[in-house]
Amino acid sequence: GNSVTQMEGPVTLSEEAFLTINCTYTATGYPSLFWYVQYPGEGLQLLLKATKADDKGSNKGFEATYRKETTSFHLEKGSVQVSDSAVYFCALSDRGSSASKIIFGSGTRLSIRP
Amino acid sequence: NAGVTQTPKFRILKIGQSMTLQCTQDMNHNYMYWYRQDPGMGLKLIYYSVGAGITDKGEVPNGYNVSRSTTEDFPLRLELAAPSQTSVYFCASSGGAEGNTIYFGEGSWLTVV
Repeated sequence: GNSVTQMEGPVTLSEEAFLTINCTYTATGYPSLFWYVQYPGEGLQLLLKATKADDKGSNKGFEATYRKETTSFHLEKGSVQVSDSAVYFCALSDRGSSASKIIFGSGTRLSIRP
Repeated sequence: NAGVTQTPKFRILKIGQSMTLQCTQDMNHNYMYWYRQDPGMGLKLIYYSVGAGITDKGEVPNGYNVSRSTTEDFPLRLELAAPSQTSVYFCASSGGAEGNTIYFGEGSWLTVV
């Protein structure tokens, strides 16, 4: 079945450091890929998405490229800020014949030191 | 834009009590979902619905029930609360013009004592 694997946290970086959070997936079809962010005490918010191979999703300085050849969708940001501290979830959606269900990774907690 | 609205935001239940978490969405989405998130963990799908009158079990349905009488509403019922159901519950929806992008409510924090 479909699955998502993302790097385990917590990840701790200093402000202005470069960020990479790895995400790989297994899917039988051509899924859409997502990154969601969860700030403390809040629900999940869509950060970015890509719907087909080689698409790049971007938002708030974050980027991720849909790599079909490596089945990956790694999240990157060139210079992180303290306000980026949150839990990040990689997800895929494979719209099958009966339902659209989204599969989430286990989440990566990111902490940014001032 | 209300989006997905859940109530209550916080609730404390005694073991064996029952309650319903309410969820409504105003985006005319066909798909709705209930997830739970235990402390420090990821999301687990409890139930989902592909449209009014249709519901199906997710990964962890035991101890819960749902109904979908309208497109907008998808309540989650706990019949006999147990400490293992202490968690944060998220309702979500997807569909319409944005396809499979899922939108979440703000969460309901439930403690069973």
